[in-house]
Amino acid sequence: NAGVMQNPRHLVRRRGQEARLRCSPMKGHSHVYWYRQLPEEGLKFMVYLQKENIIDESGMPKERFSAEFPKEGPSILRIQQVVRGDSAAYFCASALLNTAGANVLTFGAGSRLTVL
Amino acid sequence: TQLLEQSPQFLSIQEGENLTVYCNSSSVFSSLQWYRQEPGEGPVLLVTVVTGGEVKKLKRLTFQFGDARKDSSLHITAAQPGDTGLYLCAGAPPSGNTGKLIFGQGTTLQVKP
Repeated sequence: NAGVMQNPRHLVRRRGQEARLRCSPMKGHSHVYWYRQLPEEGLKFMVYLQKENIIDESGMPKERFSAEFPKEGPSILRIQQVVRGDSAAYFCASALLNTAGANVLTFGAGSRLTVL
Repeated sequence: TQLLEQSPQFLSIQEGENLTVYCNSSSVFSSLQWYRQEPGEGPVLLVTVVTGGEVKKLKRLTFQFGDARKDSSLHITAAQPGDTGLYLCAGAPPSGNTGKLIFGQGTTLQVKP
């Protein structure tokens, strides 16, 4: 049973280009979360999705960032017109159920974006 | 806005010493989780504490959730070089999106042989 798979693991983009990060949740998990980790900082929640639905995007920057989790295929975090401040590690996590109390997330290894 | 203050941020100790990492907030959490993160990898869950006052032990690691569910601590006994890594605490909000974890800034632990 493979864990949460993220790709690419490393991505280099020039300012103004687009970055697409992909996440395949654990088998059977229908809840996906994206977090961002800036250098020397903790993880910050970005967005929570279920299949074909964005449930909570309160942590997403208002512009240039979007996320989707289609019926088929991986979840995608898309960053348009990247800037140097977007350089960070982006982590995806999946969960089986969003139950009150101890919600257990399984994190992927992350995608490290570097903007030149 | 809920915040989790984690301390210390950096800790360098000798093998065999004991240490405690603290996680404090003015907000109540429904649960508190501790993760360990290796360089270039994602966080790996160590433990979840749910009940105020709860204590959980994982070999040489002892985790405690404060009575008021606002703070937590991680105590490592007789630290070993293999304990070296980044330790993160994360709190789940009392209601709603419980996957929307609030993370502390992390504690980088170095255990020297």
